[in-house]
Amino acid sequence: GNSVTQMEGPVTLSEEAFLTINCTYTATGYPSLFWYVQYPGEGLQLLLKATKADDKGSNKGFEATYRKETTSFHLEKGSVQVSDSAVYFCALSDNTNAGKSTFGDGTTLTVKP
Amino acid sequence: DGGITQSPKYLFRKEGQNVTLSCEQNLNHDAMYWYRQDPGQGLRLIYYSQIVNDFQKGDIAEGYSVSREKKESFPLTVTSAQKNPTAFYLCASSIPTGTGADEQFFGPGTRLTVL
Repeated sequence: GNSVTQMEGPVTLSEEAFLTINCTYTATGYPSLFWYVQYPGEGLQLLLKATKADDKGSNKGFEATYRKETTSFHLEKGSVQVSDSAVYFCALSDNTNAGKSTFGDGTTLTVKP
Repeated sequence: DGGITQSPKYLFRKEGQNVTLSCEQNLNHDAMYWYRQDPGQGLRLIYYSQIVNDFQKGDIAEGYSVSREKKESFPLTVTSAQKNPTAFYLCASSIPTGTGADEQFFGPGTRLTVL
């Protein structure tokens, strides 16, 4: 079956630090990969996605590259802000699983001024 | 504006009572999902529906029930058989593309506390 493994948190950074959150996956089909963000007390919202190998998703200064050879989709940002404090979820969806998504456990990021 | 609404945002119930959580979407999406989120944990799928009048159990369906009588509505009932119902419940929807590139759109969630 499909699975997503994220680096364990929580992650605490100072403002303007570089961020990496690791994500690796196992999938039976040809998955699309996603990063979702959840701010406190809210639902998830899509941050970025990539639908095929070597694609790079990007949004709001965040980037992630779909690496088929390492089955990874690591999230990066060059300079984090306090407003980036949230929980980040890596997820995959493929055409063998009735459109369902598989989510990682989430990584909590706290950015301090 | 299109989106997903969940109501209420906070819900309190006494142990042994059934409670129904509302989820409505005006995105014209075919597929809808219910997830449970516990503190420090990821999302666990309770039920999902790909089309009106049809739904399937997810990974943790025991103690829950759903209906899908209308495309825009997918209510979740937490029954007294659910042993630990206190949690944050998230509803989501998507357009099943058949390609696997199915982004999910989430509602704001309902926090259920059973006293």
